[in-house]
Amino acid sequence: QKEVEQNSGPLSVPEGAIASLNCTYSDRGSQSFFWYRQYSGKSPELIMFIYSNGDKEDGRFTAQLNKASQYVSLLIRDSQPSDSATYLCAVRRDKFYFGSGTKLNVKP
Amino acid sequence: GAVVSQHPSWVICKSGTSVKIECRSLDFQATTMFWYRQFPKQSLMLMATSNEGSKATYEQGVEKDKFLINHASLTLSTLTVTSAHPEDSSFYICSAQPFDWGNTIYFGEGSWLTVV
Repeated sequence: QKEVEQNSGPLSVPEGAIASLNCTYSDRGSQSFFWYRQYSGKSPELIMFIYSNGDKEDGRFTAQLNKASQYVSLLIRDSQPSDSATYLCAVRRDKFYFGSGTKLNVKP
Repeated sequence: GAVVSQHPSWVICKSGTSVKIECRSLDFQATTMFWYRQFPKQSLMLMATSNEGSKATYEQGVEKDKFLINHASLTLSTLTVTSAHPEDSSFYICSAQPFDWGNTIYFGEGSWLTVV
């Protein structure tokens, strides 16, 4: 079983819509959860992190954490074509564990 | 803040030679740096964890004698690919964890290595 699971996609949404990206993790001892965005040919960049159950909002992005269900999600409101990228979910315990990423396509 | 610089961005080397990639944290001190490798359209693969002043911890399957890691200061870690072969061609990315703030890691820009 993988430490972090993500649907590889691609997830296609129209411009202006809400994109919902999901991630599950296997170890209940995980404490910190991160979302990174990676454009093709570039290195990942941090979008946001979340430690506590519930929602955390930052601009158009909302991270949601449900430790009981071992589930993390990222919502992107008012999606823009520039949001088209691969989104990596990461979980930290002793080290960082990355999912394989979900490719998001935002269509103009 | 939290800028990590990686150099070179692109490098082409001949098979059998060695190439060094540098990773610098520009505005923070990093006791821990991580080196990843990513093949096209694949996930990040952690190669090793580098701690300042001590030997790197390599992941299973990563040859420590081939991928030499040195973390000589709180702002610099280097990865040397020795006796490079075409199958070593990949995107190498470093990341750094700030010493005294935050619990996250920040990535360098990555280095594309092509071995011909």
